[in-house]
Amino acid sequence: GENVEQHPSTLSVQEGDSAVIKCTYSDSASNYFPWYKQELGKRPQLIIDIRSNVGEKKDQRIAVTLNKTAKHFSLHITETQPEDSAVYFCAAKEGSQGNLIFGKGTKLSVKP
Amino acid sequence: KAGVTQTPRYLIKTRGQQVTLSCSPISGHRSVSWYQQTPGQGLQFLFEYFSETQRNKGNFPGRFSGRQFSNSRSEMNVSTLELGDSALYLCASSLGGGVGELFFGEGSRLTVL
Repeated sequence: GENVEQHPSTLSVQEGDSAVIKCTYSDSASNYFPWYKQELGKRPQLIIDIRSNVGEKKDQRIAVTLNKTAKHFSLHITETQPEDSAVYFCAAKEGSQGNLIFGKGTKLSVKP
Repeated sequence: KAGVTQTPRYLIKTRGQQVTLSCSPISGHRSVSWYQQTPGQGLQFLFEYFSETQRNKGNFPGRFSGRQFSNSRSEMNVSTLELGDSALYLCASSLGGGVGELFFGEGSRLTVL
């Protein structure tokens, strides 16, 4: 089955800096890669996703890149703000009816 | 549109007991997935139900089971509770037709003493 590895587990940046979180997946059949943000005490919420037929997707300050050959994808957050502080989870899904398998999460702290 | 609702929000049980958690998905969503969240382990997939059928199952022992009703509401049951079952159990719903956003509930926090 699918296995998703996520790094780093914790990340601390200064406000205004960029943050990068990286994930690798094992199943080459996976074709959907979402990122979820979970603020303290809240439910996870989708912030951006990418499908396997696209190499990069951007939404304001966040972007995701996908390298299918290397089986890894990354989340990039530019001009970080304190409200970006949260746990971020990457995930991979196999096919249209496969499971959505999550990485173990990255706790991002943005210091003002 | 009402979001995903999970009940109860908090519960305390003792080892050996069993527990049932409930999840009401967003109206029109036919897929319900369950995840166990523990510190350091992230979100671990338990199972997914679609149109009353279990479509996928994660790597959890048979003590963990679930079902889905005709109105798409879902329940999960954990029998013979162990201390290690203490966790936040999250339910998520989606339209279920393929790739698409999961909408999570606020979770049921289970403590096993």
